[in-house]
Amino acid sequence: GENVEQHPSTLSVQEGDSAVIKCTYSDSASNYFPWYKQELGKGPQLIIDIRSNVGEKKDQRIAVTLNKTAKHFSLHITETQPEDSAVYFCAARSNSGYALNFGKGTSLLVTP
Amino acid sequence: EAQVTQNPRYLITVTGKKLTVTCSQNMNHEYMSWYRQDPGLGLRQIYYSMNVEVTDKGDVPEGYKVSRKEKRNFPLILESPSPNQTSLYFCASSFAGTGGAGYTFGSGTRLTVV
Repeated sequence: GENVEQHPSTLSVQEGDSAVIKCTYSDSASNYFPWYKQELGKGPQLIIDIRSNVGEKKDQRIAVTLNKTAKHFSLHITETQPEDSAVYFCAARSNSGYALNFGKGTSLLVTP
Repeated sequence: EAQVTQNPRYLITVTGKKLTVTCSQNMNHEYMSWYRQDPGLGLRQIYYSMNVEVTDKGDVPEGYKVSRKEKRNFPLILESPSPNQTSLYFCASSFAGTGGAGYTFGSGTRLTVV
């Protein structure tokens, strides 16, 4: 089945700096790649997603890039703010299924 | 408001005492799923359901049961809970099909089995 690897597991940046989280996937048939943000005491919330027919997608300070050849995708957060501190999960879904396979998460800390 | 509602939010129980965690969604989603979240292990799928009366095992189904008698509800049943089932549980739902968007998650149920 699909295997999603996520790095780093923890990331600390200063307010205003950029943060990058990277994921790789194993199933070349995967075609949907969402990113979730989980704040303390809450369920994961979808923040951005990308489909395999697109190489990059941006939403204000958040962007996701996808390299299908290398089978990896990344989350970029620019001008980080303390409220960006949370655990971020990447996921991938195969064209042949419905289940999302999640990475193990990245704990991002933005210090003032 | 479109949401996935889980109950209870917190539960402490004793080994062997049957319990049910409820999950309900108001978005007419076909697909529903249960995950458990443990430190260092991320989100692992327990069971999922493609539609009413259609359920299947995920990656870690041992010790759990589910049912899908109605489209909106997908309860998780622990018939004889054990301490290794102490975890944070999430229910999620989405539209089925490859064109479907990502999941909507509930707020979670923190279960402690003593």
